[in-house]
Amino acid sequence: AQTVTQSQPEMSVQEAETVTLSCTYDTSESNYYLFWYKQPPSRQMILVIRQEAYKQQNATENRFSVNFQKAAKSFSLKISDSQLGDTAMYFCAFMKLTSGTYKYIFGTGTRLKVLA
Amino acid sequence: NAGVMQNPRHLVRRRGQEARLRCSPMKGHSHVYWYRQLPEEGLKFMVYLQKENIIDESGMPKERFSAEFPKEGPSILRIQQVVRGDSAAYFCASSPSNDRGGTQYFGPGTRLLVL
Repeated sequence: AQTVTQSQPEMSVQEAETVTLSCTYDTSESNYYLFWYKQPPSRQMILVIRQEAYKQQNATENRFSVNFQKAAKSFSLKISDSQLGDTAMYFCAFMKLTSGTYKYIFGTGTRLKVLA
Repeated sequence: NAGVMQNPRHLVRRRGQEARLRCSPMKGHSHVYWYRQLPEEGLKFMVYLQKENIIDESGMPKERFSAEFPKEGPSILRIQQVVRGDSAAYFCASSPSNDRGGTQYFGPGTRLLVL
């Protein structure tokens, strides 16, 4: 069963505008962590933001913020004031305990293109 | 503090050859993870190692693939008798611990192309 779902394969946004990338996940745990990673054309995986499920407050890192809806198991990423350098693949990840190991389960990614 | 190092960055092999990928974790990190990314897909977990121990290899193919993390030196992912389907990006990540909140830090990846 798919644990992490990113339903938008591709998105585009005009420079300086705001865009929201969606992510839903499936778990029976009550305490867990969620992540957004960015993969630019260089293909380096860069941590964008991290959310602890026990925290009510949504995580924020500069222009990046999340809308974490625990009951709905939703974890969307909002990018404000989009910049050309934000063009990348964005992966949502859930840290899952499987076979005694905490490992990332990644979604299939959303390709974001920021237009000049 | 240097990040996770991987080498080579690009590796070309012919079918039947061996591929050896290296990963040096961040300083102070003793937990190493290998992931594989096929074209247009997300990363898939392969194996988790600590020094001299394979902790979880549930994501690694049973044949031709092996991994090690010796007491001294980098972690090695070895693929024997490569086939075209092994062409992918292989990412290594490290963390100081394996717990519920442990962020994993990724290296730049090794792009393997099998001709």
